[in-house]
Amino acid sequence: QQPVQSPQAVILREGEDAVINCSSSKALYSVHWYRQKHGEAPVFLMILLKGGEQKGHEKISASFNEKKQQSSLYLTASQLSYSGTYFCGSRGGSNYKLTFGKGTLLTVNP
Amino acid sequence: NAGVTQTPKFRVLKTGQSMTLLCAQDMNHEYMYWYRQDPGMGLRLIHYSVGEGTTAKGEVPDGYNVSRLKKQNFLLGLESAAPSQTSVYFCASSYPVREDEQFFGPGTRLTVL
Repeated sequence: QQPVQSPQAVILREGEDAVINCSSSKALYSVHWYRQKHGEAPVFLMILLKGGEQKGHEKISASFNEKKQQSSLYLTASQLSYSGTYFCGSRGGSNYKLTFGKGTLLTVNP
Repeated sequence: NAGVTQTPKFRVLKTGQSMTLLCAQDMNHEYMYWYRQDPGMGLRLIHYSVGEGTTAKGEVPDGYNVSRLKKQNFLLGLESAAPSQTSVYFCASSYPVREDEQFFGPGTRLTVL
């Protein structure tokens, strides 16, 4: 089952903040976040693991609530370069598969 | 390092034709994946491989076959293309650590008429 992302789309002005949520009906082992710009491949942002460990390459923060099976991505002081579609991927246990949500389209305007 | 490459970038097929999409990676990754991306549907896993000679089904495997004869290559085959297989196909690879990032190729845009 695909995790559910909200909102589906958000429009910001440069400098504003946004939160993207990802929830699953199944128990989560980890949540992965990717960003995809139009016409390009998805690019890794962050992994959140049970127990609170995070692995990421960018200055974007996120949280993972294991009990609620939810993750949130926090984009603060947004820049034009943040525009794109954000996907969360969930992994539910001892397997290698990621199940991605349908994505959240973020548009940052000047 | 080229990373993950996909061949071809674009292709138009007629219903019933067959084709093979090639994914190659030069990062010595054990794990490789094929996804399809349709508008409003996100990325859906077709097949994946956790090592040379091994493959497994993902969420939407029907109508597709795969092979991983060499560690660096992962092939996706369509034996008899259908319009429902019109999509953008992404290949990805990762290290043999379950919780590690996936590196995606640039995608193949396939249209089946």
